[in-house]
Amino acid sequence: QKEVEQDPGPLSVPEGAIVSLNCTYSNSAFQYFMWYRQYSRKGPELLMYTYSSGNKEDGRFTAQVDKSSKYISLFIRDSQPSDSATYLCAMRENNNDMRFGAGTRLTVKP
Amino acid sequence: GAVVSQHPSWVICKSGTSVKIECRSLDFQATTMFWYRQFPKQSLMLMATSNEGSKATYEQGVEKDKFLINHASLTLSTLTVTSAHPEDSSFYICSPGQTYEQYFGPGTRLTVT
Repeated sequence: QKEVEQDPGPLSVPEGAIVSLNCTYSNSAFQYFMWYRQYSRKGPELLMYTYSSGNKEDGRFTAQVDKSSKYISLFIRDSQPSDSATYLCAMRENNNDMRFGAGTRLTVKP
Repeated sequence: GAVVSQHPSWVICKSGTSVKIECRSLDFQATTMFWYRQFPKQSLMLMATSNEGSKATYEQGVEKDKFLINHASLTLSTLTVTSAHPEDSSFYICSPGQTYEQYFGPGTRLTVT
């Protein structure tokens, strides 16, 4: 079993839809949870950062962390074609190495 | 967020030659630098971790004599791919390990012909 599981998709939605992306993990010691957006041939761009459990909202993006279920989610409201990218979840314990999900490829169709 | 640059953004080289990739943290001092490799449609794979002024720590399966990392200053780290082969063609990304949320450079695409 991988330490971080993420469905690679691809996921295709119409413009304006609500997108739900998620990851599960096995290491209960993870405390820091991140979501990155990566456009083709570009480095990952940090979207959301959450410490421990809870919700965090930033514009159209909402990140949720449920440590009891070892499950994290990223919601994108009113999705736009410019949101088309690969979304990577990542997590870490303290200063240890970060662990990445496989990335989910999202396409938002006009 | 942190500003990280990489140079070059894309390089094509012939098999057997060496290529140097530079990574600069522009707005803070990076005592630790992570180097990742990413193959098409795959996630990031950690290659090595370097600390300023000391030898890098390589992940299992990564040849330290092939992928030379130098972290001589707090703002510059370099990765040199020596005697490159076509299988080394990949996307190389650096990441200063300064903050918990971790930021990444824009990446360098290496194509070995």
